[in-house]
Parts: sequence; structure tokens; C-alpha cells
Amino acid sequence: GAVVSQHPSRVICKSGTSVKIECRSLDFQATTMFWYRQFPKKSLMLMATSNEGSKATYEQGVEKDKFLINHASLTLSTLTVTSAHPEDSSFYICSAFLRGRDYEQYFGPGTRLTVT
Amino acid sequence: GDSVTQMEGPVTLSEEACLTINCTYTATGYPSLFWYVQYPGEGLQLLLKATKADDKGSNKGFEATYRKETTSFHLEKGSVQVSDSAVYFCALTKTSYDKVIFGPGTSLSVIP
Repeated sequence: GAVVSQHPSRVICKSGTSVKIECRSLDFQATTMFWYRQFPKKSLMLMATSNEGSKATYEQGVEKDKFLINHASLTLSTLTVTSAHPEDSSFYICSAFLRGRDYEQYFGPGTRLTVT
Repeated sequence: GDSVTQMEGPVTLSEEACLTINCTYTATGYPSLFWYVQYPGEGLQLLLKATKADDKGSNKGFEATYRKETTSFHLEKGSVQVSDSAVYFCALTKTSYDKVIFGPGTSLSVIP
């Protein structure tokens, strides 16, 4: 089946630094990818919709200057957490649609970010 | 707006017990419905899905039927195993390329 990968799986960084998380569709092209955030023992909340070749669409309350999204190719979207703070510590998950496969998204394994 | 409601748990069952996790949704039109499972420390996996009314999704002994009249998609399994311990998310999408709207998740613990 379709596979979505994320890198890194875990990252620890210091406050004030920036962290980049990659989301790749390994065997299919994805014009649209989504970025979700999951707080401990909570559900997933959509952060933004990433569209290849255009600007991302952010959900209300998500700071676009803090969470930079780039979707430069049909198989790669990146999320950069800029000037990270401890409250940004979370589990970040991306997903992608397989073109031609209705209604089903494929989720990456997630990235655990810890900001110290 | 569109939303998904499910029992939050935690739910604790003995091995071989029956499982039902209730899920109801609010949405206009004809959404597709999903159950995702998240094992400890891992990402999401699609467990089953149904794309139209009266469809039954099934996988690994789990079943759920799309009931439009009651706007429900309850997850059931006749005999749970310890390996079923995980968090289960009910979810919906409205169109082929739309975001997934998740319920709050239900934590299930199965004890030997």
C-alpha cells in the first residue's frame, strides 16, 4: 500500500532554535498534504493544508510565521518550527492523499518534538 | 461545523470480552467515515472505513456500519485481545481531498 514517511521520528532541540520535519510520499505523488498536531492524550488537530507549488492554508489560530510549510515537490512537504519553545513540544503527523484513491489519507508515523 | 463525537474512555476490558466504542457525527452531505488506531508511541493506522450509508467496514475482527439515520459509526469486536490495546479514533472526511476531522479518541486497555 501507499507509504508516507516522516523524518526525523524524534527530535530534541533547545529553545530558540528551529527544527525542520520532512514528510514524504514514498511511492505516489501527493498534490495535497496535511499537517496535524497531537497533544498528549488528545486528538489530532489540523494545523495546515500543504499544496504543491502554492502557499499553505493555515487553520485558525495557527501562526504561519512560526510553523513554516513548504511543499516544493509532489512527494515532499516540510514543516519548520521556528524559534521553538517548550510549548511547541508535541507529536506532529502528516498525511497525504493517494491520487485516484477516494477518501483515504495515508498518515506518516509522526515526529515527536521535545523542546528543552 | 462538522464534528465527530465518541466515548472518551479510558475503557478497560478483560481478554475475550466484547467491545463497542460509540461514535456519532455531525456533517452535511454524505461524508466518508473511518476508524483509525494508534498503538503506543506510533502514528495512525487506518483500521476500517465506509464511504456510503449502510456500508460495513471490517478488518482484524473489528466492524463498523455506516448508519445515516442515526449518524453513527460504532466500532465493535466480538473478542478483544491484549494486542488490541491502543487509542481508537473515529473520523470523517467530506470529499476526496479534504482534511480529516477526528473524534477525541478512545483509549482501550485489554488485560489478560
